[in-house]
Amino acid sequence: GQQVMQIPQYQHVQEGEDFTTYCNSSTTLSNIQWYKQRPGGHPVFLIQLVKSGEVKKQKRLTFQFGEAKKNSSLHITATQTTDVGTYFCAGHNTNAGKSTFGDGTTLTVKP
Amino acid sequence: GAVVSQHPSRVICKSGTSVKIECRSLDFQATTMFWYRQFPKKSLMLMATSNEGSKATYEQGVEKDKFLINHASLTLSTLTVTSAHPEDSSFYICSARGGQQYEQYFGPGTRLTVT
Repeated sequence: GQQVMQIPQYQHVQEGEDFTTYCNSSTTLSNIQWYKQRPGGHPVFLIQLVKSGEVKKQKRLTFQFGEAKKNSSLHITATQTTDVGTYFCAGHNTNAGKSTFGDGTTLTVKP
Repeated sequence: GAVVSQHPSRVICKSGTSVKIECRSLDFQATTMFWYRQFPKKSLMLMATSNEGSKATYEQGVEKDKFLINHASLTLSTLTVTSAHPEDSSFYICSARGGQQYEQYFGPGTRLTVT
């Protein structure tokens, strides 16, 4: 079945440093979504990428979708303490008819 | 943004009893709802997908007779954990999706503890 792998599992950074999490799918995706779950909270939808090679930005967050539509990345520039949480990608495969979540990358930021 | 509520937020029950969890989309029609389990510091494990008016599709390894899902309307889905056991203790989260959208909107989750 479809597998979505996310690395790293954990990332500890100093406030102000950059952070990147990577998402890789075993199958070609129709789209990919990114979610953020704060400690003690529930996942919140951040963005969806659909086109091959697509790049989208939300303030300090940059999302990329690979040319082959099998991988994606989320990059945070100059992290802040408010960025802490677990970031999940979810890849949608049309044939499977569902989105598969990665295991998430948990980010901690040291002030 | 879209809002999904979940009730109860916490429940403690005795082993052998059944527990019902409700998931509601408050400001949109959810054609599809999903039920997940999440273990501490772990990812979301999809249990089942339910479409309004039809039977839920369960993931491999999830017992459909133990985790009863009903999606009777476009705004409500319920998950009933039947004959609960301590190993069923977990954080259960629902999400909802509307129309042709792919993004999911999550409820706040239900912490189930079975004693």
